[in-house]
Amino acid sequence: NAGVMQNPRHLVRRRGQEARLRCSPMKGHSHVYWYRQLPEEGLKFMVYLQKENIIDESGMPKERFSAEFPKEGPSILRIQQVVRGDSAAYFCASSLRTSAGNTEAFFGQGTRLTVV
Amino acid sequence: DQQVKQNSPSLSVQEGRISILNCDYTNSMFDYFLWYKKYPAEGPTFLISISSIKDKNEDGRFTVFLNKSAKHLSLHIVPSQPGDSAVYFCAASDRNAGNNRKLIWGLGTSLAVNP
Repeated sequence: NAGVMQNPRHLVRRRGQEARLRCSPMKGHSHVYWYRQLPEEGLKFMVYLQKENIIDESGMPKERFSAEFPKEGPSILRIQQVVRGDSAAYFCASSLRTSAGNTEAFFGQGTRLTVV
Repeated sequence: DQQVKQNSPSLSVQEGRISILNCDYTNSMFDYFLWYKKYPAEGPTFLISISSIKDKNEDGRFTVFLNKSAKHLSLHIVPSQPGDSAVYFCAASDRNAGNNRKLIWGLGTSLAVNP
């Protein structure tokens, strides 16, 4: 059972370009979370998705950022018109849902975005 | 406002001794706590968790203690091994979040275990 797969591992974009980050959850997991880690900071929640639905996007900037988790295929985090401040490590996590609601999330290796 | 605080950015321990990593939280609605370990250039790896109905959970060399009245938890690693050297993150989730068990993270403690 493959773990959470993120690609690309490293992404370099010029200011103003678009960045697309992909995340394939673990097999059987239907819950996906995106987190961002800025340099010298902890992980910050961005968005929580279930298949075809955005459940909570309260941590995502209102402009330029969007996320989707289609019925088929990976979850995509899209950043339009990137700026230098978007440079960070972006982590995707997936989880099952237990009846108790408590379950650990499994993380991918992250995508390191560098905006030049 | 940092709801989960790890006040020690780094910790150095001798191999074979105990490592104690601390975490404090401010939100009394947090009911589930997790510790993750992270190596450079990798994603966090789940270590151990504890529900607020317990005060201790043990898994091999790792034990997590929860003191709800003090809003404090700690991770004990004994005996510490050089391979334990990593950044350790404390995370919490909120029962009021309903179906969204998003995690609120501390800033991490970098543990160095010296041979």
